[in-house]
Amino acid sequence: SQKIEQNSEALNIQEGKTATLTCNYTNYSPAYLQWYRQDPGRGPVFLLLIRENEKEKRKERLKVTFDTTLKQSLFHITASQPADSATYLCALDGSGYALNFGKGTSLLVTP
Amino acid sequence: EAQVTQNPRYLITVTGKKLTVTCSQNMNHEYMSWYRQDPGLGLRQIYYSMNVEVTDKGDVPEGYKVSRKEKRNFPLILESPSPNQTSLYFCASSLSGAYGYTFGSGTRLTVV
Repeated sequence: SQKIEQNSEALNIQEGKTATLTCNYTNYSPAYLQWYRQDPGRGPVFLLLIRENEKEKRKERLKVTFDTTLKQSLFHITASQPADSATYLCALDGSGYALNFGKGTSLLVTP
Repeated sequence: EAQVTQNPRYLITVTGKKLTVTCSQNMNHEYMSWYRQDPGLGLRQIYYSMNVEVTDKGDVPEGYKVSRKEKRNFPLILESPSPNQTSLYFCASSLSGAYGYTFGSGTRLTVV
């Protein structure tokens, strides 16, 4: 069956450090992979999309890598700030036109 | 402002009483989708639509109906709600499958 796996344990890091979150998948052949941020009780907010033929994508302090051989994406936040504390979700295009989400990883950045 | 608007934000209802959660987007997006989010289960897709009059089932469609008569609107209908449909619901829209989705603020539904 198709699976999208993100670290279920919260990631705690110190302000200023780089946070790295992982998304692994099985039984998908995605054309693209997306990352979202979600704050408690609010809707997810789209951050970045990377296509299968792209290795890396950047947006300000965010960087995403996509390795279709390893079936893995890494999401990096450089110079992290307390305001970056949230849950980060990985999403893949599934069968048909479905978009399937992982369960997310909670990030806590402490001053 | 570009947005997806869901109504209501909060709803408490009784088992078996039909309800509709509305969703509207003002971005002329082709794709629209409904998700439910439950603790420990994450976001699960209920139904999605690629265009007017074109809809398809997601992972958890049982007990739900949708319609897409106009491009901007994608209502979620619960014909006979049950307590296991108590959840946080999100509507989302996208220009196409290869673009990020814009999500609504959510509807917290409680069925007693």
